[in-house]
Amino acid sequence: ILNVEQSPQSLHVQEGDSTNFTCSFPSSNFYALHWYRWETAKSPEALFVMTLNGDEKKKGRISATLNTKEGYSYLYIKGSQPEDSATYLCAFMRDGNKLVFGAGTILRVKS
Amino acid sequence: DAGVTQSPTHLIKTRGQQVTLRCSPKSGHDTVSWYQQALGQGPQFIFQYYEEEERQRGNFPDRFSGHQFPNYSSELNVNALLLGDSALYLCASSAPRVLTFGAGSRLTVL
Repeated sequence: ILNVEQSPQSLHVQEGDSTNFTCSFPSSNFYALHWYRWETAKSPEALFVMTLNGDEKKKGRISATLNTKEGYSYLYIKGSQPEDSATYLCAFMRDGNKLVFGAGTILRVKS
Repeated sequence: DAGVTQSPTHLIKTRGQQVTLRCSPKSGHDTVSWYQQALGQGPQFIFQYYEEEERQRGNFPDRFSGHQFPNYSSELNVNALLLGDSALYLCASSAPRVLTFGAGSRLTVL
């Protein structure tokens, strides 16, 4: 059974705070790790697809790191804004086809 | 470019009924996957279609079936609905490794 764990479950921060979330996944037979941002009533939006151990990716104020040997990835948001409020999902891909999702981290940013 | 479109957006059914959900993939994508998201959980993989064949299947009973058409669009059928089938059903189309999701069809079973 593949288990993808995300922590924390939810997070409330003030505008301007920086924050980070953790995703743990099986370290064997790794193919890719995906991060998605999901706003209520919208489609999950792909943030990053990470494939190599040590990968670091950045998109504006959001960045992510990957450690495939120990099976974890961190997502960082610098200077959180209210529009960053969303659920952040990570998903592990073992075979190039199927994603195994974590339950997500709900972020609420107060102005 | 329209992304992935799903219909209907919401529907209500009663136990024992059957439901069909539809998905049109993003232009250029030939692979369609379906996921079920129950409340408080991450999306769970149901199955994936490629070249009109089911390529991979998750841990869902045979009541869940699908189809892919020559234009790559897809349907998800669920027979003999149970209360526990109430969920958001997401369709995703893909180029290799990158999935684009629709906004989902929310099914409520009463």
